[in-house]
Amino acid sequence: NIVMTQSPKSMSISVGDRVTMNCKASQNVGNNIAWYQQKPGQSPKLLIYYASNRYTGVPDRFTGGGYGTDFTLTINSVQAEDAAFYYCQRIYNSPWTFGGGTKLELK
Amino acid sequence: QVNLLQSGAALVKPGASVKLSCKASGYTFTDYYIHWVKQSHGKSLEWIGYINPNSGYTNYNEKFKSKATLTVDKSTNTAYMELSRLTSEDSATYYCTRDDGTYWGYWGQGVMVTVSS
Repeated sequence: NIVMTQSPKSMSISVGDRVTMNCKASQNVGNNIAWYQQKPGQSPKLLIYYASNRYTGVPDRFTGGGYGTDFTLTINSVQAEDAAFYYCQRIYNSPWTFGGGTKLELK
Repeated sequence: QVNLLQSGAALVKPGASVKLSCKASGYTFTDYYIHWVKQSHGKSLEWIGYINPNSGYTNYNEKFKSKATLTVDKSTNTAYMELSRLTSEDSATYYCTRDDGTYWGYWGQGVMVTVSS
């Protein structure tokens, strides 16, 4: 099975900063990656699909990139409400697997 | 508007079974697969399996093949997941989510299952 590895596990950022988090697939997955945001006590919310497509209603400060095995999620000008866990997911084929997550904290 | 409404929290004894529900509204139920996802406390997300509500076809993560059984009731637009022979390892929050063909844009609110005597 394909393993998704996210880094870093956590990061502490100031409001207004730019942040980039990483997701690495153990095999080539093309652009079949999604990114989710999850806040405590809430369901995951889809941010990005097919590696770089922003989902409906997602602010344009969220940008996804990458292809093959290495992917990134960048948040430009981080806002207070962006404090959350972020998960990447291999999509399109079974088994759908998630990364271990990156926790984004605000200073 | 699309909504997936899950059943309430469950407290179950070790060795017992529990059946969780996910009632869909706001769209044609049989047009979209439903996936189920497990999230243990403080952990990441695990895909359990999916069901095609139209045909009843299921596909499971190998890890959950003997643990979870997915079914639907088309008359009530409800998907179900039964978890059997529960242990403390099954204590978690479980989500249902709609497969929009490639990505999962709609999720239920989640249901917490606690296995304890």
